[in-house]
Amino acid sequence: QVQLQESGPGLVKPSQTLSLTCTVSGGSISSGSYYWSWIRQPAGKGLEWIGRIYTSGSTNYNPSLKSRVTISVDTSKNQFSLKLSSVTAADTAVYYCAGYSSGWYCEYWGQGTLVTVSS
Amino acid sequence: SYVLTQPPSVSVAPGKTARITCGGNNIGSKSVHWYQQKPGQAPVLVIYYDSDRPSGIPERFSGSNSGNTATLTISRVEAGDEADYYCQVWDSSSDLVVFGGGTKLTVL
Repeated sequence: QVQLQESGPGLVKPSQTLSLTCTVSGGSISSGSYYWSWIRQPAGKGLEWIGRIYTSGSTNYNPSLKSRVTISVDTSKNQFSLKLSSVTAADTAVYYCAGYSSGWYCEYWGQGTLVTVSS
Repeated sequence: SYVLTQPPSVSVAPGKTARITCGGNNIGSKSVHWYQQKPGQAPVLVIYYDSDRPSGIPERFSGSNSGNTATLTISRVEAGDEADYYCQVWDSSSDLVVFGGGTKLTVL
């Protein structure tokens, strides 16, 4: 069974870059037709899709975040990563990594990691 | 960009049927997926491709999609069904994943 685990700093200062990594276990990140995604959820609010990457390296991002987001993949480590630059308090949220099937439903979710933006 | 609209809250008595709607322009032409999220937990897929259930999801959960509205139906509601529910589609025109705002299901 495929499992995802987020890792990275839980506290980031304003204007700095938020960096998170998702490690995929129980299967190869390169096998199958999966789109590896990041999703976030501010406290008490709904889910916001940040973007996705295919193992070919093809990416697409939420237009509201596109200028600040980079998602990359390291197939040798079975990981994919998120970088969000110039963060503010509005970026404080639980960040989930996720695996979408080719049918665009999310089969796999990480447990989520809380990132707080504060000085 | 494509917008999905859900009611903020739905309340239902135990044993009754809950219906949670998800509105979108011609949503019937898209595949709709539904997630259940309990406090402090990651979302869980409960319906995919409008009406298919993943293994382990009770038959009490069903879905439909037509016109401008998709519906998640939970029959014989139990206290354990109390959660937030999100609909989601992939908008092919923009190649973006879109979530509805979520509906809090309260079991009275």
